[in-house]
Amino acid sequence: DSGVTQTPKHLITATGQRVTLRCSPRSGDLSVYWYQQSLDQGLQFLIHYYNGEERAKGNILERFSAQQFPDLHSELNLSSLELGDSALYFCASSGDQETQYFGPGTRLLVL
Amino acid sequence: QKEVEQDPGPLSVPEGAIVSLNCTYSNSAFQYFMWYRQYSRKGPELLMYTYSSGNKEDGRFTAQVDKSSKYISLFIRDSQPSDSATYLCAMGNTDKLIFGTGTRLQVFP
Repeated sequence: DSGVTQTPKHLITATGQRVTLRCSPRSGDLSVYWYQQSLDQGLQFLIHYYNGEERAKGNILERFSAQQFPDLHSELNLSSLELGDSALYFCASSGDQETQYFGPGTRLLVL
Repeated sequence: QKEVEQDPGPLSVPEGAIVSLNCTYSNSAFQYFMWYRQYSRKGPELLMYTYSSGNKEDGRFTAQVDKSSKYISLFIRDSQPSDSATYLCAMGNTDKLIFGTGTRLQVFP
């Protein structure tokens, strides 16, 4: 157990809908990273937050947004969902901004 | 060209074999190099971490980094069926990591 929690574990929704994925980092970790993992793309970095501030963006679509709250938990919002958004979404946390510890992931299926 | 290249495998070896997993990269600015293990679409688990050229050993695992060649390796000694998983190399800096696509390893009894 990495100490990073993610909810929900599974999510099934329809195209055009909006969902929110939640991540709680390890105790004391200020950094949260979001990743998308699909079968044909591997693990893709989406965005990094440090203590509530956005630090880096990767291949994150404009339909996706994230934030980190004062209690350090983070949410990833996915809107206008498309079939191709079906994937595993992981968050990771870090205390030293070097080693990242991953949560169990949220499996999203868009029908 | 991808920033990080990793042979997807699959790699199938008998129990007890020495396994060599490799990645190449193109960005000389990468500061940190890591190996993660991922079991059947679960969260990646950090195995090894280094930020310098040379070898780092932890039990049956040895990570090797050659910055001059932009090449990293993970060696697994005395491989076990429980090592069967996908191994992901990752490298980057404090803001983000770039992952390889992963190598599927199967160790058969």
